[in-house]
Amino acid sequence: AQTVTQSQPEMSVQEAETVTLSCTYDTSENNYYLFWYKQPPSRQMILVIRQEAYKQQNATENRFSVNFQKAAKSFSLKISDSQLGDTAMYFCAFISYGGATNKLIFGTGTLLAVQP
Amino acid sequence: DTEVTQTPKHLVMGMTNKKSLKCEQHMGHRAMYWYKQKAKKPPELMFVYSYEKLSINESVPSRFSPECPNSSLLNLHLHALQPEDSALYLCASSQGFGVYNEQFFGPGTRLTVL
Repeated sequence: AQTVTQSQPEMSVQEAETVTLSCTYDTSENNYYLFWYKQPPSRQMILVIRQEAYKQQNATENRFSVNFQKAAKSFSLKISDSQLGDTAMYFCAFISYGGATNKLIFGTGTLLAVQP
Repeated sequence: DTEVTQTPKHLVMGMTNKKSLKCEQHMGHRAMYWYKQKAKKPPELMFVYSYEKLSINESVPSRFSPECPNSSLLNLHLHALQPEDSALYLCASSQGFGVYNEQFFGPGTRLTVL
C-alpha cells in the first residue's frame, strides 16, 4: 500500500524567514509524481509544486522549492521569504503511474502559520 | 477559464431532507471528482467520473448519489444524511485519466447536517 506521512501537524515561521515542511512516502512503484498542495483558510486548494520521480532535478516555483530524495523517499517543501499569504494547510500528495485513474494519496497535512 | 465552481457555498439540512450539490468546469476536462474533507484532515476521495461514466466509487454509502449529466457538470445528490456527514465537499476536475493530469479543485460546499 502507498502511504504519505507528514510528521509536523503545525509549524510557525516569521515573515520573511525560510521554513521547511517534511514529507515522506512509501511505495514500491518506480514511476510516480509528488505534489504539494496549499489550502488557505476558507479558500480552495491549489497546486504549489510538482515533482516527477524520474527527474533528478528538484522542482522550483518562485519562492517554493523541493528537496526530493528518491532513495530515502523524502519530499520536503522549502518556502523562502515567507509571506502572510503563505498561511495555510499544506498537503503532500502522491500518485503512481500504474493506476487507471488519477487517484491522489494525501498526507495528513501541516498547518503553517506565518507570523508578522 | 481555469476555474471549478461549486454551489452552494454553504448548506444546512436536516436528516430527512433531500438536497444537491453542484459542480461546474469549463476547461474541457473529462474527469471529475468528489471528495469529502473533515476539518484539518486531508480530502478523502468519494467518486470519480471519466467521460461522464462513474469509474470509482470508494464504497460511499448510498445516501450519497453522484450524477454527471454532461462533461461540464457534476452533481452530488444527498438524502437521509447523518450528522457525521457534515464536512466540506470538494469537487475537482482534470483533463482526463492518467497521472499527468493536474487536478483543479473547487472552493467546496460546507455541509452541516442537523
